[in-house]
Order: sequence, then C-alpha cells, then structure tokens
Amino acid sequence: GESVGLHLPTLSVQEGDNSIINCAYSNSASDYFIWYKQESGKGPQFIIDIRSNMDKRQGQRVTVLLNKTVKHLSLQIAATQPGDSAVYFCAEILPSQDTGRRALTFGSGTRLQVQP
Amino acid sequence: NAGVTQTPKFQVLKTGQSMTLQCAQDMNHEYMSWYRQDPGMGLRLIHYSVGAGITDQGEVPNGYNVSRSTTEDFPLRLLSAAPSQTSVYFCASSRDSGNQPQHFGDGTRLSIL
Repeated sequence: GESVGLHLPTLSVQEGDNSIINCAYSNSASDYFIWYKQESGKGPQFIIDIRSNMDKRQGQRVTVLLNKTVKHLSLQIAATQPGDSAVYFCAEILPSQDTGRRALTFGSGTRLQVQP
Repeated sequence: NAGVTQTPKFQVLKTGQSMTLQCAQDMNHEYMSWYRQDPGMGLRLIHYSVGAGITDQGEVPNGYNVSRSTTEDFPLRLLSAAPSQTSVYFCASSRDSGNQPQHFGDGTRLSIL
C-alpha cells in the first residue's frame, strides 16, 4: 500500500458529521489557493479553489474559507461520507523569484478518517 | 481524454543507474510540472515548464533534469540514482501557470537500492 502520509496529522470523524480541515500557508503574496484530495495509490485530485479577493467559496458539500490576516485556509466537508476518507492537501500559488512564473507549493497534508 | 499519463508505475533501480520517467498529457495544457512525495513531507516541486522549450527549477531540482520539446510530453531524468531519490513521483499539468488547478497523474513509485 501507499507509504505516503505515515506521519500526517489525522482527523477522525463519524459518518454524517461535518469535517473541518485546516491549513496555514506561508506567503502573504500568494493569491490563489487549492484544496486537493489524495486517495491511496492515486494522484492528488482537485476539490475546490479560491482566489485571494474572496473569503469564502462553496462547492458541492465543500466550503473553503480564507483568512488572509492570519494566513489560514480551511476546508469544510458537510455530511462526511466513508468515500471522503483520504489525505487532504492545501496548496498555494507563489510567484517565482526570477521570472514571475508561478509555482504551486503544497502543505504537508491531513489524513481524514471517516468512521461508519 | 486520458488526462495525465505517467509511465512506468513502479521501478526499482540500483544506485548510480540513470532512467527517465515519462509524462504525457492530452489536454493541450501549457503548464507541466514534476513533484516528489515523501512520507510526512507533502509534495515538493522538482521542475516545471510553462510551455514547450521552457523549463525552470522548483524547490528540489538537484539530481534531476527535464526537457520540454513538445506541449504533450515532459520527461524527468534521473542522472545517477541515489537512495535519497526513493520516492513517489507525480507529474501534473494545467492550462496555464497562474490561476488554474493542476491535473495529476497517478504517480511513479521509484525505489533506489
């Protein structure tokens, strides 16, 4: 099986409860943020994104909140299901130092375990 | 569309060997990138490309080379494999470099003995 994520923080919730996964980002100049879900043996899968001119964005069962003052991002999952069990990563777009090209930087991730 | 395709899925190498990890996308995306994922480290950017003929270094480029001769392909070369390069490697692409989410392949699991 996948060895990635052995030392990740883990959030354990009951099926049907709401989940909140938090992320602190590093660079106040970042202006685009993305949440990814990664299941065992798979690549990261896009969930939802938000730009820095917004505080909140909602998708299907998911909401992302952005607090630029404290450089904090959160992902809320409503009515969590067993299929939501995965590792969740936040990512920020940082401006390149040299050319202005923009590179994606990932946080270390949180494992979500949904108990039936 | 197949999306982002990575080959091989698994590979074992001996220290000092070289190899190329393949990545292809069929979405006509300009931006492509390579990451490595180690336990507890998240994904770290190795190299990226904003278009054919243009590549740039990421956070951990040492020991890796890339080229981008076509829009579709972005191979990653290990010049002389070392045990520290044992990792899971992900390739990703997006329409542009700035404000679009990236699409990831399913990874290449590489072990260096």
